[in-house]
Amino acid sequence: SAVISQKPSRDICQRGTSLTIQCQVDSQVTMMFWYRQQPGQSLTLIATANQGSEATYESGFVIDKFPISRPNLTFSTLTVSNMSPEDSSIYLCSVEEGAETQYFGPGTRLLVL
Amino acid sequence: QKEVEQNSGPLSVPEGAIASLNCTYSDRGSQSFFWYRQYSGKSPELIMSIYSNGDKEDGRFTAQLNKASQYVSLLIRDSQPSDSATYLCAVRGAGGSYIPTFGRGTSLIVHP
Repeated sequence: SAVISQKPSRDICQRGTSLTIQCQVDSQVTMMFWYRQQPGQSLTLIATANQGSEATYESGFVIDKFPISRPNLTFSTLTVSNMSPEDSSIYLCSVEEGAETQYFGPGTRLLVL
Repeated sequence: QKEVEQNSGPLSVPEGAIASLNCTYSDRGSQSFFWYRQYSGKSPELIMSIYSNGDKEDGRFTAQLNKASQYVSLLIRDSQPSDSATYLCAVRGAGGSYIPTFGRGTSLIVHP
């Protein structure tokens, strides 16, 4: 399976600021996804990062709040903008490899004060 | 709206026992089913996938799928303390709906 890395692994941020999370894959992949996992909750898909076009956002998530870049087939960024304490969560990058299977990066643990 | 339901647990079993984790789903057209294990503070890792009715075995793990009853289960034989984790069920539909829906997960505790 693809090896996925994320940076930063964790961060503590002040409300009103923004944080950009990077996701790097060691091979070219077509599908990359960004998820959020709040404490005790399951995975919620934020958006699908499309190479060469705008990301596709799920209901409840908007580009102004979570801008996403996908400059090539191995890299993507997610920015959490104008953060509030409610944005405290684990943010996970995911890629899809053959047989419809998703693999996850190690996650970014964000705490907003 | 597609739903995937799991008992949040915790499910507590003694070491060496069989742990049985269950998942039901609402979309009758679902085609692909996955079990992920997530240790505390870690990201989910895929442990099993199943696509057709019946059982699929991989080592100590057996996935069972019953599409008529819309449930999928995961059995862990000879449970070990290292199996203590949250197990997430994910279900993927057909007809271009390639994004899986995840359940909330079942917390499993295997005590010595």
